[in-house]
Amino acid sequence: EAGVAQSPRYKIIEKRQSVAFWCNPISGHATLYWYQQILGQGPKLLIQFQNNGVVDDSQLPKDRFSAERLKGVDSTLKIQPAKLEDSAVYLCASSLERGGPNEQFFGPGTRLTVL
Amino acid sequence: AQTVTQSQPEMSVQEAETVTLSCTYDTSENNYYLFWYKQPPSRQMILVIRQEAYKQQNATENRFSVNFQKAAKSFSLKISDSQLGDTAMYFCAFMKQKSFGNEKLTFGTGTRLTIIP
Repeated sequence: EAGVAQSPRYKIIEKRQSVAFWCNPISGHATLYWYQQILGQGPKLLIQFQNNGVVDDSQLPKDRFSAERLKGVDSTLKIQPAKLEDSAVYLCASSLERGGPNEQFFGPGTRLTVL
Repeated sequence: AQTVTQSQPEMSVQEAETVTLSCTYDTSENNYYLFWYKQPPSRQMILVIRQEAYKQQNATENRFSVNFQKAAKSFSLKISDSQLGDTAMYFCAFMKQKSFGNEKLTFGTGTRLTIIP
């Protein structure tokens, strides 16, 4: 079974530029998460999708971050314009939609450096 | 809101020894789940073990076991017969229980574990 795919793996941009990250979850996983992991910290949820709909985006800086999940499969996370403090690893995860302690499967992440 | 605290930023242990990683959490929820995730240098986060709060029995997965103390809000991970491949960042994580659907994970800051040959 293929895992969660993310691209690109690395991205370096100047502040105020725009950047987009792509995630393809495991087939059949209805729930998709984007986490931000700043160096030395644990991942923090930015946004959670259930199929096409947003379940939780309370920690997403909506003035500069946006995300979409088309047709309930792939997802794109965009930052526009980027700030220095956006330097982090952006992790995508997915899980099955059912009750219980569902395992979240993580992708390899995209390391963003904002100069 | 939930918080997860890992007070050991770094630990190291000789290969084949036993090591325990600490985790405490704070929540007003009564029903929840706890997890330990491993993040090797390659960055892919992998589930190590999970515990349902309503279960009194501590979870065990091969060389990995937990000591879950609900009243103390403590959830430590014990790794027995440690191996070089156990070298990684370990994150403790909390998830509220829902009857259906999924909740987000709230992570601690992690413990960097190094297994010394």
